[in-house]
Amino acid sequence: AQSVTQLGSHVSVSEGALVLLRCNYSSSVPPYLFWYVQYPNQGLQLLLKYTSAATLVKGINGFEAEFKKSETSFHLTKPSAHMSDAAEYFCAVSRNQAGTALIFGKGTTLSVSS
Amino acid sequence: GAVVSQHPSWVICKSGTSVKIECRSLDFQATTMFWYRQFPKQSLMLMATSNEGSKATYEQGVEKDKFLINHASLTLSTLTVTSAHPEDSSFYICSARDQVLANEQYFGPGTRLTVT
Repeated sequence: AQSVTQLGSHVSVSEGALVLLRCNYSSSVPPYLFWYVQYPNQGLQLLLKYTSAATLVKGINGFEAEFKKSETSFHLTKPSAHMSDAAEYFCAVSRNQAGTALIFGKGTTLSVSS
Repeated sequence: GAVVSQHPSWVICKSGTSVKIECRSLDFQATTMFWYRQFPKQSLMLMATSNEGSKATYEQGVEKDKFLINHASLTLSTLTVTSAHPEDSSFYICSARDQVLANEQYFGPGTRLTVT
């Protein structure tokens, strides 16, 4: 069965600092992996996704993630944090194949201080 | 881009009443929609998979008689919370899978349900 583990429920960075949010996955089939952002009382916004093409995936708002099969990881990074990046971030894996239900991690709250 | 809407965006109801939440794909057709539930400060948990023209598939532990799902058209799925109780208070989010672009699914903005 597919699962994802997000290491660190809360990450705090200073504005301008590197953002690193960790995600490890478990999958019995080649995974499709996603990162979503959620602002308070809002739905999910897709940041980026990995669908077996390039291992380094670039998303919106300057975020990117690298798929590392050997480490079963899909960590999210951004070189320079902005105050507006403060939100909840979810890593997710497709349950069976692309376009099927998603299995979400527990989420990581990102705080950005000035 | 593809848009999924939910209605209402928030609702308050009394214990024992039923509430219907709509999920619509506005500019694409969705043979499959998913319903998730999110408790405060927690992750999203899949409740059920809704397929147009057939019965929904519920996840283990989700009461199908309490959470009625209907997917009567390619653009609309509804979730009805029957005989709601305070513990049903949650954020309900749907996603819709694009029939043409089968690898793509899009999330609605969510519905905040509060049962008093």
